[in-house]
Amino acid sequence: SQELEQSPQSLIVQEGKNLTINCTSSKTLYGLYWYKQKYGEGLIFLMMLQKGGEEKSHEKITAKLDEKKQQSSLHITASQPSHAGIYLCGADGGGTSYGKLTFGQGTILTVHP
Amino acid sequence: SAVISQKPSRDICQRGTSLTIQCQVDSQVTMMFWYRQQPGQSLTLIATANQGSEATYESGFVIDKFPISRPNLTFSTLTVSNMSPEDSSIYLCSVVPWEATSYNEQFFGPGTRLTVL
Repeated sequence: SQELEQSPQSLIVQEGKNLTINCTSSKTLYGLYWYKQKYGEGLIFLMMLQKGGEEKSHEKITAKLDEKKQQSSLHITASQPSHAGIYLCGADGGGTSYGKLTFGQGTILTVHP
Repeated sequence: SAVISQKPSRDICQRGTSLTIQCQVDSQVTMMFWYRQQPGQSLTLIATANQGSEATYESGFVIDKFPISRPNLTFSTLTVSNMSPEDSSIYLCSVVPWEATSYNEQFFGPGTRLTVL
């Protein structure tokens, strides 16, 4: 079975600082999702990266997929308190497991004003 | 995208009872899934809700404990049966929109927070 490891587990930054969260897979990545979760709430879809070394940006968040390293990174530029939350990466099983996501343990981000 | 609602948003139940959670989508979707998030943990896939047929369960989850229905392309229910405190979790449904091609977006509902006493 596929396993995802996120690092760091938690991150505390000052507002305005840049930060990076990594997600490393034990198997080939076919589709990699990034979500943000506020405590006890549902998941907010951020980005989905497909196989092939893709990079996507939305506002101040950029995500990259390095298929050789079986790794994805999420980078936030000039962080704001609104960025605080739990960031989760999820890998699509691919093939007959298409749509079935395996998640990392999450990265808790705190942004101090 | 898809707008997903879940009912109830939260509930407190007594052990031994059952709770049915509803997931309603504002548009037709191809795939619907149910996940569980135990306290302090990440999400774990329970099952795929198949329209018009029996759900497909992941290892460690069985139909007797988590019966699932999906009568049409916009609605599904998950029942948590014979509950114990270990079932206290957030239960989330997710959907892949109808127009999805390979590896398209997957959207999650707001979740149902279940506490079992």
